[in-house]
Amino acid sequence: EPEVTQTPSHQVTQMGQEVILRCVPISNHLYFYWYRQILGQKVEFLVSFYNNEISEKSEIFDDQFSVERPDGSNFTLKIRSTKLEDSAMYFCASGGGFDNEQFFGPGTRLTVL
Amino acid sequence: AQKVTQAQTEISVVEKEDVTLDCVYETRDTTYYLFWYKQPPSGELVFLIRRNSFDEQNEISGRYSWNFQKSTSSFNFTITASQVVDSAVYFCALPKETSGSRLTFGEGTQLTVNP
Repeated sequence: EPEVTQTPSHQVTQMGQEVILRCVPISNHLYFYWYRQILGQKVEFLVSFYNNEISEKSEIFDDQFSVERPDGSNFTLKIRSTKLEDSAMYFCASGGGFDNEQFFGPGTRLTVL
Repeated sequence: AQKVTQAQTEISVVEKEDVTLDCVYETRDTTYYLFWYKQPPSGELVFLIRRNSFDEQNEISGRYSWNFQKSTSSFNFTITASQVVDSAVYFCALPKETSGSRLTFGEGTQLTVNP
């Protein structure tokens, strides 16, 4: 069964460093998302991506964040200069249609020291 | 703006008990979808159900059932004969109002099923 994959599973970085989180969405899906979950809290939307551009972003998704679909399979989230408060689990998701169910990857746990 | 409320922060039951997880939502849309996701201790988010607001019939899938009541803006989830493997955090979610696809999640309910 097709699934969303994410790498790495855990990333530790120093404050101020850049990180790139990688995702491979389900191959025939057209809508891609990043969400994050701070430990013990609810899941929060960051950004959605469709037709090679950002379709929506939240107030969390400031200039430090960017997304890219560099080829036909990968979908990346870059944080340019990490802060302590960026420590969270980052989930990638993909969906086959605008209001279809979103399937989530296993997440990348980002720890900023 | 839409809102999802899961008032039960934690529920603890003994195996084989039935348990209902509550979800109350607010939206100005007249048609919308509702979702439930499961987050087991391993951390991934597992899709459980997507329900259209047009359809108020109860949905049953094995030991899982969902009761959607538009009149009370509730979409409750019942697990029958709970098992230890059902222990997880369960999230209810609603897409953004007016043709949005971003999901707004509730705070989640931590369900612990004890042997």
